[in-house]
Amino acid sequence: QVQLQESGPGLVKPSETLSLTCTVSGGSVSSGSYYWSWIRQPPGKGLEWIGYIYYSGSTNYNPSLKSRVTISVDTSKNQFSLKLSSVTAADTAVYYCARSSGDITIFGVVILYWFDPWGQGTLVTVSS
Amino acid sequence: SYELTQPLSVSVALGQTARITCGGNNIGSKNVHWYQQKPGQAPVLVIYRDSNRPSGIPERFSGSNSGNTATLTISRAQAGDEADYYCQVWDSRVVFGGGTKLTVL
Repeated sequence: QVQLQESGPGLVKPSETLSLTCTVSGGSVSSGSYYWSWIRQPPGKGLEWIGYIYYSGSTNYNPSLKSRVTISVDTSKNQFSLKLSSVTAADTAVYYCARSSGDITIFGVVILYWFDPWGQGTLVTVSS
Repeated sequence: SYELTQPLSVSVALGQTARITCGGNNIGSKNVHWYQQKPGQAPVLVIYRDSNRPSGIPERFSGSNSGNTATLTISRAQAGDEADYYCQVWDSRVVFGGGTKLTVL
């Protein structure tokens, strides 16, 4: 059974870069069947998708965050990571990593489907 | 950009049927997925591709999708079903609904 676990600093200063890692166990990030995403949830609010990465390194980011986001994968460690630059208090949230399946259309466009499983989430607070 | 609209809250009497809607332009043409999130926990998939239940999800959970509305139906509601529920689709990016808080009375 695949399990995901987020790790990283729980406190980041404004204007700095938030860095998190998701470690996958019971499965492989190199599986060509899945895409690996980051999703966040500000306290008391809803879910926001940040972006995904495929084992090959191809990525797709939420346009609202694209200028500040980098997602990378390390197949040797069975991990993928998130970097979010120039953070503000608005980036305070629980950050989840999750796995999803997907399809590629005849035009080469990836369509993501449902997220399952999710990591337990990690709270990152942006404060000086 | 594509938006999904959910009611902020839904209440249901114990043992009765709860229906949580998710509205979107021509959502019936998309695959809709539903998640249950209890306080302090990560979301859990309860319905995928409109009406399919993952293993381990009770048959009391069902889904439908047509026109401009997708619906998550919870039959014989239990106290343990109290949670936030989110719908999700793909529209060139992942889109989540705002979430619905289900209260079991």
